[in-house]
Amino acid sequence: EAQVTQNPRYLITVTGKKLTVTCSQNMNHEYMSWYRQDPGLGLRQIYYSMNVEVTDKGDVPEGYKVSRKEKRNFPLILESPSPNQTSLYFCASSPYINEQFFGPGTRLTVL
Amino acid sequence: ILNVEQSPQSLHVQEGDSTNFTCSFPSSNFYALHWYRWETAKSPEALFVMTLNGDEKKKGRISATLNTKEGYSYLYIKGSQPEDSATYLCAIRTGANNLFFGTGTRLTVIP
Repeated sequence: EAQVTQNPRYLITVTGKKLTVTCSQNMNHEYMSWYRQDPGLGLRQIYYSMNVEVTDKGDVPEGYKVSRKEKRNFPLILESPSPNQTSLYFCASSPYINEQFFGPGTRLTVL
Repeated sequence: ILNVEQSPQSLHVQEGDSTNFTCSFPSSNFYALHWYRWETAKSPEALFVMTLNGDEKKKGRISATLNTKEGYSYLYIKGSQPEDSATYLCAIRTGANNLFFGTGTRLTVIP
């Protein structure tokens, strides 16, 4: 089944404790992207990747890192999470920048 | 940052009514427009990707038009059904390969 998976789905952590949210797709898509969803603000793009070893900043990259060592994986890294990073995070992929296939979302709470 | 505006923010319609809503965007640096349907507790699902001025796309009872010169797109739903209840998101892709989302129109179809 073609899908985008994210793990974990839910995470409660504390300020400053490094965490990684994984994202994997099995559709051989070139383009992958991370978004955060906050009430009243819509989806905002954090980082995106056009292909392996190619990543670019989106609208709100501060406090996040990503890597694209393999085509299928695009992990989101929070080196030192802060409470303002509490949000719902979505990973998405697509063949180039066509219609995005979204993962199930990761709800992160930083205390 | 690109300002993508959707209106109305929310609306309620009776089952069987037809409805439409708007996505407005700056016409400069436009590359493509995406429409997504986002049901509560699920992930956004792609409806349409449109690139050319005058484009019209249709999927069942849902259709969309695009005017890139004046910077707007309309999404139409004919004969609304309760299962159409969702938030409809519009996103603009710029030449820089990132996506900017509007805050969505929340549609509730009353049986």
